[in-house]
Order: sequence, then structure tokens, then C-alpha cells
Amino acid sequence: GAGVSQSPSNKVTEKGKDVELRCDPISGHTALYWYRQSLGQGLEFLIYFQGNSAPDKSGLPSDRFSAERTGGSVSTLTIQRTQQEDSAVYLCASSQTGRTDTQYFGPGTRLTVL
Amino acid sequence: QKEVEQNSGPLSVPEGAIASLNCTYSDRGSQSFFWYRQYSGKSPELIMSIYSNGDKEDGRFTAQLNKASQYVSLLIRDSQPSDSATYLCASLYSSASKIIFGSGTRLSIRP
Repeated sequence: GAGVSQSPSNKVTEKGKDVELRCDPISGHTALYWYRQSLGQGLEFLIYFQGNSAPDKSGLPSDRFSAERTGGSVSTLTIQRTQQEDSAVYLCASSQTGRTDTQYFGPGTRLTVL
Repeated sequence: QKEVEQNSGPLSVPEGAIASLNCTYSDRGSQSFFWYRQYSGKSPELIMSIYSNGDKEDGRFTAQLNKASQYVSLLIRDSQPSDSATYLCASLYSSASKIIFGSGTRLSIRP
């Protein structure tokens, strides 16, 4: 079956530009997570969506970061006025309701801000 | 600040030996613990979950949890070159809906 997909796989942008990263979760998974992984580091939690509930945005590092999830499926992570420190791999994961312990990760989007 | 700490390594182990990976966590409210394996350039994959004190075995992998010491470990028996990867320790807090990850330990199995 189809896993979590993310697009683009790679994104190179110039400092100050806005970028949008997309995540398609596994069909039927109600929970969706965004993480950021800088080079040689662990995963940094960014935001969590569960069904129609208000998202947990506690991990977003600044107000330049936002995310939405339309129709309970596809999610878009937007970074406005990108900075060089935003360069990282952005990973999306999804899970079934109540199964935070079993998350399936997408392949990630590698963002490079020049 | 809830944290999960790991030695970054690299940890080098000869093929066929036991690899021991360790992790400590700061919040006693943590209920569930996980080990993820991440190959270079790939996304993490869950290999072990553990929820209660003691050992949990799955094939060549054994996860160990000691809540009193706030310590989690992963043992890999009969290490293979294909086990060379970064291993991420993670915990889930009972009052939270998100997993906190450590920075990972890089494991290298030498032939």
C-alpha cells in the first residue's frame, strides 16, 4: 500500500523567499506530524494535527512557520521569509487515531536556503 | 524542558558482537519509549517499542527499560554490517501527544 509521500524531495531557495512543503499521509490516518531534522541532529517536533481538533503548534520555532491540513488529509508546511538556519530535512509522519507510538515517516523534503 | 539524551557516537562494533546503545530521559512522566533506525539519507523507521520495566526481545534486538533510573537501552546481538545506521531513542509523555527524540547514536559495524 502507499506510504506517506512528501514533495518536493529537494528544495533550494534564496534567503527571504517563502516555501511550501507538502505531505500526503497514509490513507485513513487521522494524525499527522511535522518534524525538522538538521544535519547530524535528532528530530525536532514542529506541529501535530489530529482529526478536526485544533493542531498542537507548540514546536513551531517562529511565526514564520505555519501549517495547515485540508480535509483531514494533505498538509502543507509554509515557511515565510526563509533564513539559512531553516535549512534542514523536513519530515512528515502519520499514524492512526490514538497510535502516536506507531508513526510512519515520509521520505522528507531537503530544504536548502542559500 | 523535556529531554532525551544519547551519546552521538560513533560507536564501532565488530561484526558478530553485541552492540549496546543507551539513552536517558529527563521527565518521569514518560510512559512509552521507542527505538528508531535511520539509514543515511533515509527517514526513521520504528524497530522497537517498550512500555514497562524490564526487557523486551524481538529477534536480534532487545530493548531494556529502567524507569527508576530513567534509562533505556537497545542491544543488538550478532551485529551485521546492515545494522550500521543512526539509532534514535524517543519517548512519549503521558500528557502529551508528541514524541520527543534524542539526537541519535551513530553505529558502525566493522567486518
